[in-house]
Amino acid sequence: EVQLVESGGGLVQPGRSLRLSCTTSGFTFGDYAMNWVRQAPGKGLEWVGFIRTKAYGGTNEYAASVKGRFTISRDDSKSIAYLQMNSLKTEDTAVYYCTRAISNGWSPLYFDYWGQGALVTVSS
Amino acid sequence: QSALTQPPSASGSPGQSVTISCTGTSSDVGSYNYVSWYQQHPGKAPKLTIYEVSKRPSGVPDRFSGSKSGNTASLTVSGLQAEDEADYYCISYAGSNNIIFGGGTKLTVL
Repeated sequence: EVQLVESGGGLVQPGRSLRLSCTTSGFTFGDYAMNWVRQAPGKGLEWVGFIRTKAYGGTNEYAASVKGRFTISRDDSKSIAYLQMNSLKTEDTAVYYCTRAISNGWSPLYFDYWGQGALVTVSS
Repeated sequence: QSALTQPPSASGSPGQSVTISCTGTSSDVGSYNYVSWYQQHPGKAPKLTIYEVSKRPSGVPDRFSGSKSGNTASLTVSGLQAEDEADYYCISYAGSNNIIFGGGTKLTVL
């Protein structure tokens, strides 16, 4: 059974950093691109970014709203994806979902499995 | 790129059919057969309901179907049931490492 479990959410002050982890099981992690999507309270879904497999360089793409502040990484030996969030702003407050991406290698095409989400609240 | 356009709300009575539209452009929905739909119940994670325009993942009832015409994709829920009440989001691949989300539609079962 495919499982994705986010952890590391919580309350953080503006300007500070936070790292989310996405621990996975039930599939060969290294074969899949991984992706993050967020949802502000009462709002719709917003793409955050994704990381390609090592076969495609393990490189990243990010939404303009987080580029330069957020970094996605992966540890294939542990089957974990990470979302490092720096210089957090109040508008980053959201539930952050880790998703497994079905991709063409270079781009996500759709997301077949989702974690339960981790709430990040940015407030002073 | 702009978000895909979905109606904010849709509704239907139990047993009826309801269709939710997702309108993009010739650069996204109109160019690629990678439109997917997600169902989200309150307080829960989204769940893949339709992928590649019209394919259903294992376990999704065949009451859910997808289609596309030109720049508009559609999700149809037939034989509406109370548990279908949820938010529905569409997503489309848009080429050049871009993926675009719809704003979501709240489906109410009357």
